[in-house]
Amino acid sequence: DTEVTQTPKHLVMGMTNKKSLKCEQHMGHRAMYWYKQKAKKPPELMFVYSYEKLSINESVPSRFSPECPNSSLLNLHLHALQPEDSALYLCASSQVLGQPQHFGDGTRLSIL
Amino acid sequence: ILNVEQSPQSLHVQEGDSTNFTCSFPSSNFYALHWYRWETAKSPEALFVMTLNGDEKKKGRISATLNTKEGYSYLYIKGSQPEDSATYLCASRAGFSGGYNKLIFGAGTRLAVHP
Repeated sequence: DTEVTQTPKHLVMGMTNKKSLKCEQHMGHRAMYWYKQKAKKPPELMFVYSYEKLSINESVPSRFSPECPNSSLLNLHLHALQPEDSALYLCASSQVLGQPQHFGDGTRLSIL
Repeated sequence: ILNVEQSPQSLHVQEGDSTNFTCSFPSSNFYALHWYRWETAKSPEALFVMTLNGDEKKKGRISATLNTKEGYSYLYIKGSQPEDSATYLCASRAGFSGGYNKLIFGAGTRLAVHP
């Protein structure tokens, strides 16, 4: 069982919907990450949080909005997504920046 | 821009065979190389983190070597078992500002071990 929990596991939404992806870890890790992975492509880094502060934003469109309300939780708010945003969204955490990352199972997102 | 390449893209072996695959990464500004195993419907699992040229790590039947001067790492699996079937991802971290905290992943090698 993974120690990083992502919900929901699957999400289907229309382009006008607003939804959120949730990631939770209770390992005391202070760095958390969002990745996007399309089929047969490598995971691509989107955002990095360190001590609840946004550390890296990889020029992600504003229709993706991350939030880190506390050290255990990382959210990704979605609004007005496009069909090309359909992908697997992976969350990861590490003790601090630069340490090995522990991944969740991912949320498979489909945009209609 | 970091570019991490893995080969082969896909590999099919018989149970009991030993196998290996390659991860290539830019050798300049190298900081660390990570290997992950990713089984279908599960989360990626960290296997190794390697930093030193000539480093060799081992975990059971799986081992990895690192050559930072020429920019490659090999992952070896001895006596493959069906449960080794997974995608093996490598990821590189660079030692320059802005790159230190980012993992740049390769596309993975998909291994299938047939009974």
